[in-house]
Amino acid sequence: NAGVTQTPKFRILKIGQSMTLQCAQDMNHNYMYWYRQDPGMGLKLIYYSVGAGITDKGEVPNGYNVSRSTTEDFPLRLELAAPSQTSVYFCASSYLAGGTEAFFGQGTRLTVV
Amino acid sequence: LAKTTQPISMDSYEGQEVNITCSHNNIATNDYITWYQQFPSQGPRFIIQGYKTKVTNEVASLFIPADRKSSTLSLPRVSLSDTAVYYCLVGDMLRSGNTPLVFGKGTRLSVIA
Repeated sequence: NAGVTQTPKFRILKIGQSMTLQCAQDMNHNYMYWYRQDPGMGLKLIYYSVGAGITDKGEVPNGYNVSRSTTEDFPLRLELAAPSQTSVYFCASSYLAGGTEAFFGQGTRLTVV
Repeated sequence: LAKTTQPISMDSYEGQEVNITCSHNNIATNDYITWYQQFPSQGPRFIIQGYKTKVTNEVASLFIPADRKSSTLSLPRVSLSDTAVYYCLVGDMLRSGNTPLVFGKGTRLSVIA
């Protein structure tokens, strides 16, 4: 059972480039989340989804886009990368809503130069 | 979502019991209290969840007073490997929609030999 899988693990982008961070879960979870974590800080919610076809903004959505065409996948798109988007990105999933146990991926470390 | 307040950091010696208290004064009737642990360069990991009184598992205990306005995570006889950031979250697992997982700053626990 793989749980939550994120790819890539590391990536360096140049300013203005775009990329998609992939997230897949095999637990048939309804809820999926994207967070970013800057050095020494807590996790900030970027976007979340309560099911296929449904997404909503979190605390820091600017500069990002998401889609949820299947239950398993929840990709995060960065358009026109900026140095402020240098961070570690975590994807998570849970079966129920905000009060339940969530499972996290291993993270993607992104550097924008 | 109920707002939570935790100490920013705590230090402890190996072998001691560590208690981390979280305040959640506006907790709702259906909210559960969940604690996560995050090691450096890893995603958070669920450690314990409770609704009232006391919950114990192989990792920790969670104490919740009758008014549920606070909770205490207790780690027995900590070791160096317990050095991590601990997050307290409060949420209703059955309420869909606008109840995503939102993390605060957490408590940075440093265990000293």
